[in-house]
Amino acid sequence: LAKTTQPISMDSYEGQEVNITCSHNNIATNDYITWYQQFPSQGPRFIIQGYKTKVTNEVASLFIPADRKSSTLSLPRVSLSDTAVYYCLVGPIYNQGGKLIFGQGTELSVKP
Amino acid sequence: AAGVIQSPRHLIKEKRETATLKCYPIPRHDTVYWYQQGPGQDPQFLISFYEKMQSDKGSIPDRFSAQQFSDYHSELNMSSLELGDSALYFCASSLGSGAGPSYEQYFGPGTRLTVT
Repeated sequence: LAKTTQPISMDSYEGQEVNITCSHNNIATNDYITWYQQFPSQGPRFIIQGYKTKVTNEVASLFIPADRKSSTLSLPRVSLSDTAVYYCLVGPIYNQGGKLIFGQGTELSVKP
Repeated sequence: AAGVIQSPRHLIKEKRETATLKCYPIPRHDTVYWYQQGPGQDPQFLISFYEKMQSDKGSIPDRFSAQQFSDYHSELNMSSLELGDSALYFCASSLGSGAGPSYEQYFGPGTRLTVT
């Protein structure tokens, strides 16, 4: 599975757009990029998944450049409740057993 | 919508005791995963089951065992507990039959195990 690198922490203020970038230089052709969110003492929650270009859902957008060696999770107009750890995961979506390999996530702190 | 159910939510055990954690997946989900998250750590994959068969194994100690039953619920059995086993244990479920991306796993609320 491709190794990922994310910032350890980020600070933001309510109403701002937050962009979290993940590097995955050795991403494989059949790898997808998936982001999970985790609040303290809760299980991770799926946010968004993509393969290339741009994916958008009601929660976030995911931007993936042509070379796919990085990706950016964009959270529009964050609120205090978006304070959480965000994990970037890279791997084939039909990986044996579908296990998730969590690396070090990004701890986002949203301030009033 | 129904979510993943885990029981108990909290468990306190002494060293060398045994513990059993239970997981009830979302209805119609056929794949169950177990993860361990120590204090300040990232979740670590332990083991997974698809259609009642073990499908993958991660960093699960030999003291731990797990199985998935005919109703798709799963149990994680932990013996000879050590202080280092104190952690949050998450169960997740998904549709592993190809109906959706296997990376979209739905996590339960977790069981907080404290070993004293």
